[in-house]
Amino acid sequence: ETGVTQSPTHLIKTRGQQVTLRCSSQSGHNTVSWYQQALGQGPQFIFQYYREEENGRGNFPPRFSGLQFPNYSSELNVNALELDDSALYLCASSLLAGDTDTQYFGPGTRLTVL
Amino acid sequence: AQRVTQPEKLLSVFKGAPVELKCNYSYSGSPELFWYVQYSRQRLQLLLRHISRESIKGFTADLNKGETSFHLKKPFAQEEDSAMYYCALSGHGNKLVFGAGTILRVKS
Repeated sequence: ETGVTQSPTHLIKTRGQQVTLRCSSQSGHNTVSWYQQALGQGPQFIFQYYREEENGRGNFPPRFSGLQFPNYSSELNVNALELDDSALYLCASSLLAGDTDTQYFGPGTRLTVL
Repeated sequence: AQRVTQPEKLLSVFKGAPVELKCNYSYSGSPELFWYVQYSRQRLQLLLRHISRESIKGFTADLNKGETSFHLKKPFAQEEDSAMYYCALSGHGNKLVFGAGTILRVKS
């Protein structure tokens, strides 16, 4: 069984640029959730994808967008980067989009915006 | 509004001492509560969830709906328990709301 993987590990961008982060879900999982973790804070929910459809969104602007592919891997895209977007981005996969399914986290992508 | 509060940023105890990591939540319905743990240089992982009522690595947590709390407890701390601990709740749709986390340091 393969765990959740994310790429790249680290990324440095400048303000105004666009970035794409990638996540491969755990084998057999069909749901991916993305979280932003700023320094010293807990992860904050961005959005969730279930079977290629967005299934809920947190309090993030539209410049944060995502995709889920038929193999259930996922991308997080952020346009017009701002300094405050600097954070650790986590993805988590689960089997179903139910209320009580355990989410398994990847190691994260550290994004630095200069 | 859904909110999770962990009042302590850092909790430092001696090996063998009891541990209690505090967690309070705000949610209008019946949430699912979790404790996640992150050991040094490792990814975030589930420690326990209230619905399963399990004891994992000697840790337990009881949901107190009256006090809206889900404190994490262990009777005798071990050095390998040193980590960052996050309390989280899940309302509708399996979207986790996390607290800010508590660093547990177990001193020898």
